[in-house]
Amino acid sequence: GENVEQHPSTLSVQEGDSAVIKCTYSDSASNYFPWYKQELGKRPQLIIDIRSNVGEKKDQRIAVTLNKTAKHFSLHITETQPEDSAVYFCAASTTGGSYIPTFGRGTSLIVHP
Amino acid sequence: NAGVTQTPKFQVLKTGQSMTLQCAQDMNHNSMYWYRQDPGMGLRLIYYSASEGTTDKGEVPNGYNVSRLNKREFSLRLESAAPSQTSVYFCASSEAGGYGYTFGSGTRLTVV
Repeated sequence: GENVEQHPSTLSVQEGDSAVIKCTYSDSASNYFPWYKQELGKRPQLIIDIRSNVGEKKDQRIAVTLNKTAKHFSLHITETQPEDSAVYFCAASTTGGSYIPTFGRGTSLIVHP
Repeated sequence: NAGVTQTPKFQVLKTGQSMTLQCAQDMNHNSMYWYRQDPGMGLRLIYYSASEGTTDKGEVPNGYNVSRLNKREFSLRLESAAPSQTSVYFCASSEAGGYGYTFGSGTRLTVV
């Protein structure tokens, strides 16, 4: 089955800096890569996703890049703000058949004012 | 439009007691899932239901059972709770292909 590794487990940055979280996956058939943000005590919520037919996707201060050859994808947050502090999860899956995403273990991002 | 609704939000059980966690979605999604979240372990899939009438085991099914009551509802049952089942439980649902994947607000369960 799919295996997703996520690094780092904790990331501490100063407000205004950029943050990058990286995930690698094992199944070359995976073609859908979402990212979720989970604030303390809340549910995970989808913030951005990318499909295998594109290499990069942006939404304001967040972007995701995908390298299918190397089987890794990354979340980039620019101009970080204290409200970006949360746990971020990556996931990988195939969109055909039963959709069962495999999640990374999460990255705790702390943005210091 | 409530999305995915879970009940209860909090529960304390004694070892050996049973309980059922309820989940309902109003997005007409085909697929529903139950996860547990423990510190440092991420989200681990307990059971899922790809469509009404089907259920399958996930990564950590032992000690749990599920019922897909209809398209909207997917319940998780602990028959004999153990302290190792202390966790936060999330229900989720999605359209076919994983579109619109949405989590419920979670149930914090403590087994003493």
